[in-house]
Amino acid sequence: GAGVSQSPSNKVTEKGKDVELRCDPISGHTALYWYRQSLGQGLEFLIYFQGNSAPDKSGLPSDRFSAERTGGSVSTLTIQRTQQEDSAVYLCASSPNGGPGSPGNTIYFGEGSWLTVV
Amino acid sequence: GESVGLHLPTLSVQEGDNSIINCAYSNSASDYFIWYKQESGKGPQFIIDIRSNMDKRQGQRVTVLLNKTVKHLSLQIAATQPGDSAVYFCAENTGGFKTIFGAGTRLFVKA
Repeated sequence: GAGVSQSPSNKVTEKGKDVELRCDPISGHTALYWYRQSLGQGLEFLIYFQGNSAPDKSGLPSDRFSAERTGGSVSTLTIQRTQQEDSAVYLCASSPNGGPGSPGNTIYFGEGSWLTVV
Repeated sequence: GESVGLHLPTLSVQEGDNSIINCAYSNSASDYFIWYKQESGKGPQFIIDIRSNMDKRQGQRVTVLLNKTVKHLSLQIAATQPGDSAVYFCAENTGGFKTIFGAGTRLFVKA
């Protein structure tokens, strides 16, 4: 697609329920990132996928969080047993290949999925 | 731990004036810095970047300055326009994939 696409754009869920957030990266981009942004805060790194390599999950805040990337394209971020502190915007981004800083390797962000846990 | 912070959480400028947004970073090993602009309800957008072997880089109406001695980064916007109103994030990267973002500065442009 033309840009990074995320769905749903907004999600309200009850505490304790599971949620899935989807990301479609820009076609041809091999690197995919998930960030979390709480209200009025900066971006917190969650997880990174690069091609067929094992993802780096070091930013996931707890074992309730998991992410998959199927076929090197679409990614799903799953939050199990949601808590109120999980309320945030979850931003997905992609870049042509791994490692920001390489020429032409700008990270492009989606519009985010706004999650509210009540 | 590693962090990227901003001196001013909000900045208000008159339309047509120049804006300067400042950022401090703590990781002296960082070799790549980026500025992003985030408008309300949207994801961050790349503005300009700079490598650690440079101290200045210019784009269209924007200039990024890097002072490695004091670990300070700034974004200068010339002739600020209402469309520049947004939250601006600085970010740093140490050569891997993990880009660390600061808390952001909100820029208000008064007409």
